[in-house]
Formats: sequence, structure tokens, C-alpha cells
Amino acid sequence: DSGVTQTPKHLITATGQRVTLRCSPRSGDLSVYWYQQSLDQGLQFLIQYYNGEERAKGNILERFSAQQFPDLHSELNLSSLELGDSALYFCASSVATGVGYTFGSGTRLTVV
Amino acid sequence: GQNIDQPTEMTATEGAIVQINCTYQTSGFNGLFWYQQHAGEAPTFLSYNVLDGLEEKGRFSSFLSRSKGYSYLLLKELQMKDSASYLCAVSTNAGKSTFGDGTTLTVKP
Repeated sequence: DSGVTQTPKHLITATGQRVTLRCSPRSGDLSVYWYQQSLDQGLQFLIQYYNGEERAKGNILERFSAQQFPDLHSELNLSSLELGDSALYFCASSVATGVGYTFGSGTRLTVV
Repeated sequence: GQNIDQPTEMTATEGAIVQINCTYQTSGFNGLFWYQQHAGEAPTFLSYNVLDGLEEKGRFSSFLSRSKGYSYLLLKELQMKDSASYLCAVSTNAGKSTFGDGTTLTVKP
């Protein structure tokens, strides 16, 4: 157990639907990062939050949004889902920027 | 933007030594990470280099040359369980890390 908790582990949904992925960072970590990893591809940075505020944004689609709550957990919302959104979505946390990340076990999203 | 290059695949023999290279181009370089990722699992942190030189940690070592935009991960005494993808990631002053596409290492008996 890395200390970073992601739920759900698996999610199967239909095109056009909306889902919410949840992440609880490791205790004491203020930064949360979301990454997307499609089959046989690298980790694509989506967005970073630090202590409740958006810190950096990657190639995140407009259909996707995220937030970090006062208790530091974060949610990634994916809407108007398309087949191509099927991927592993990882959350990672760190105590500060510029240090190693601890990754959660990921949410495997399948859009059918 | 950032550009990170590493070989797609490598094969090595159990007990041998393998070196996985990573070259990068970025502005605001802060440090370079190496992660290990087994198929379908989360990446796990291996090493972090900020200054030039070699960092040794057991069977794994990582080297960085900031002036050349170059790093390598050295794995010694390879074991079958070392078969995995190895991800090079560059951290910038903006705080986020950008990952390379990873090098899939296959260790054969």
C-alpha cells in the first residue's frame, strides 16, 4: 500500500456518460497530480493541485475537470466520454513540488 | 515544451548489467526521476538526480549530466523480476514532472 488511495479500481461505462474518479493523497502530501496512461503509451500529465489550488495544467481536455478539496482529496471528472478515453488514470501525490511522487494503484476506465 | 527520449525496448540476460539511456530538452530543469512500472501497476520511484554525477542505490544507479541533457539508469545483477517498464521523468521549476514513454526491459534466463 503506497498510501495514495484511488477509487474505484475499475469502471466500465458507456459513451456519452460522466464519471468521477477519486484520490486521497498520502498523509502529509499537499500536491496531487493526475495522469492518463492509454494502452502501451506513456504517462500523460493532466493537472496538478497544491493545497487546494490548481498549480499546473497539461493536455487536459475541456471535457475533463478536477478539483482538490480542503481535506486534500481530489476528484477528476470526465464527461461526454468517448471510446478513446479508455485508459488507466493515475493519481500521485508528493509533499512538495520537485520531489518524487507516490502513485496510487490507478483507476482503469473502460468506455464501451 | 519538453522532449524526452528513451529507447522503446531492451533485452538483457539474467545476472547481466543493462544501461537505459534518457535524453531530454527542457527549460527550467529542476531534477530527473526514474520510475519502474510493471504492466498494469502503478509506477514506483527509483531515483532522483538533481546534480551531475552518479547516485547509487543497491543494484540500481542513476547518472545525470545537466549540460548534456542526459541521464542513464544502470541495473546490475539483473533478476527476472526486473522485467518492467522504466520511465524517465523530468521535473521543472513549474513543479510538474513530464514522463518519457518508457523503456520496456525484458530479462531472459
